[in-house]
Amino acid sequence: DAKTTQPNSMESNEEEPVHLPCNHSTISGTDYIHWYRQLPSQGPEYVIHGLTSNVNNRMASLAIAEDRKSSTLILHRATLRDAAVYYCTLMNTGFQKLVFGTGTRLLVSP
Amino acid sequence: DTAVSQTPKYLVTQMGNDKSIKCEQNLGHDTMYWYKQDSKKFLKIMFSYNNKELIINETVPNRFSPKSPDKAHLNLHINSLELGDSAVYFCASSQVGTGGGYTFGSGTRLTVV
Repeated sequence: DAKTTQPNSMESNEEEPVHLPCNHSTISGTDYIHWYRQLPSQGPEYVIHGLTSNVNNRMASLAIAEDRKSSTLILHRATLRDAAVYYCTLMNTGFQKLVFGTGTRLLVSP
Repeated sequence: DTAVSQTPKYLVTQMGNDKSIKCEQNLGHDTMYWYKQDSKKFLKIMFSYNNKELIINETVPNRFSPKSPDKAHLNLHINSLELGDSAVYFCASSQVGTGGGYTFGSGTRLTVV
């Protein structure tokens, strides 16, 4: 299974942008890059995914490096409700298997 | 209208007992999963079913037996419960071939005493 590496924790102030990095140097050509977040006492929640091009949705933006060996999840204006553990994962469409790493705990201060 | 629902939400039981956790999804997805999240918050896939067929079976003790009566349901039966089985179990679903995201349930916290 391809591995992802993320910082253990990051801090942000409310209303500021947050850039959450992820390295996935062993990504294969058919792997999608997925991001999930898990709020306390809840199940993981899908945030965004992409293959090669940058992606935007109502929750976040995903910037994918040209060589696809890294990506960055961008929260444009952090709120207190964005405090969660953010997981960067890879999904091989053949087996549709998501393998989670340890994630980044995002702390948001008022 | 919950997309992926699990029951029960909490389960406290004694060692050696047998218990089941149920999961249902109303998203029309063709694939369902069970994940285990241990006390260190590490999420690990256990099983996956696609249209009632087992496609992923990670190294899980055979005391754990999943059953999928139809593509909208995936249940998890655990025999002879052990202390180490205490964890939060999450069910999820997705549509294979789209590369799209999983939808997770809210989890079942199992405590074995």
